[in-house]
Amino acid sequence: KAGVTQTPRYLIKTRGQQVTLSCSPISGHRSVSWYQQTPGQGLQFLFEYFSETQRNKGNFPGRFSGRQFSNSRSEMNVSTLELGDSALYLCASSLGDRGQGSADTQYFGPGTRLTVL
Amino acid sequence: GNSVTQMEGPVTLSEEAFLTINCTYTATGYPSLFWYVQYPGEGLQLLLKATKADDKGSNKGFEATYRKETTSFHLEKGSVQVSDSAVYFCALKRFGGGSYIPTFGRGTSLIVHP
Repeated sequence: KAGVTQTPRYLIKTRGQQVTLSCSPISGHRSVSWYQQTPGQGLQFLFEYFSETQRNKGNFPGRFSGRQFSNSRSEMNVSTLELGDSALYLCASSLGDRGQGSADTQYFGPGTRLTVL
Repeated sequence: GNSVTQMEGPVTLSEEAFLTINCTYTATGYPSLFWYVQYPGEGLQLLLKATKADDKGSNKGFEATYRKETTSFHLEKGSVQVSDSAVYFCALKRFGGGSYIPTFGRGTSLIVHP
């Protein structure tokens, strides 16, 4: 079974620009979550999508947004980029079935390394 | 709120040494607990998990036991290899806001020398 894929793997942007990152989950997984990983803050939860609806949201400004398509693929958008947005952005997929409870396991992609100059 | 505290790294060991990485958590209810590993340039991989008190998760020689009385989930391995060098993340997952949201520790870097 193919794993979680993320594109692109690397991006360089300048302040004020916007960026869109893409994530393709494992086949059959309906939940996609996004995380920001930085040396200073560690791994922080951005949001989760399930069946095309945002189910949870972390504590990030409105410049960070996302969406999910009917095939469960997800995109994350960051507008008006700031230097502090430089990070590794990780996507994780899971079945998302609440019947699994807290045992529902997330599988991570390799990440997109975003550098803002 | 929920939180996960891991020991500061890096942890530096010689090959075949015994490994312990401490992890304690704060959460209400009955979270599931996870250990993930991240190799350089890659995303996180699930290493093991435990879903209820006294459960022991194990994989590739690594073990961790869910201790509710001490709110801990320490990672152990009897004999580390150079290939185990990576960053290890402890995480918990509990219900909130309509689904199960994970909370991650800051990660502990492990360096194993030949």
